[in-house]
Amino acid sequence: AQSVTQLGSHVSVSEGALVLLRCNYSSSVPPYLFWYVQYPNQGLQLLLKYTSAATLVKGINGFEAEFKKSETSFHLTKPSAHMSDAAEYFCAVSDQSAGGFKTIFGAGTRLFVKA
Amino acid sequence: EAQVTQNPRYLITVTGKKLTVTCSQNMNHEYMSWYRQDPGLGLRQIYYSMNVEVTDKGDVPEGYKVSRKEKRNFPLILESPSPNQTSLYFCASSPGFLINEQFFGPGTRLTVL
Repeated sequence: AQSVTQLGSHVSVSEGALVLLRCNYSSSVPPYLFWYVQYPNQGLQLLLKYTSAATLVKGINGFEAEFKKSETSFHLTKPSAHMSDAAEYFCAVSDQSAGGFKTIFGAGTRLFVKA
Repeated sequence: EAQVTQNPRYLITVTGKKLTVTCSQNMNHEYMSWYRQDPGLGLRQIYYSMNVEVTDKGDVPEGYKVSRKEKRNFPLILESPSPNQTSLYFCASSPGFLINEQFFGPGTRLTVL
């Protein structure tokens, strides 16, 4: 079965600083990877996804992620953090192994943005 | 408006009292899924459905049941809730699997005393 690891349950950055949220996956087949964001008291919404086209994927709100097969990583970045980026971020993978159609989420990273 | 709705949004109940959380989507999506969210554990999939009358277990199905009699509805049933099922529950839907994003409902916060 596939798995997703997000390094760092909490990340704190200053407004205007680079945001880097880490995601590593384990997969024996080409993965389909997603980043979702959850604002307080809301459901999740898609930031971006990788589906084996371009390795650098651009998403909403200035976020992007780069798929690196050699490192089994799909880290999320944003050049300049805004206060409105404070939220919890989840990396996820579609898992079709073992005959199922599951979605595996990482444990999440809460992003704090300091003024 | 395209959306996934869940009811109730908040529920406090007692151990052993059967309950159902409803989920409905108006996007004609084939794939639907239930997750529970717990601090430090992220979202864990309970059950999913590829289409009407087709359901399968996720990673944490114990103590839960689902049904998919209509394409738009995917209720989550707790026959005999226990305190360890206290959690935040999300329903989600998508047009298909693998490459499709999931659209999430607003969540149901369940407390079992």
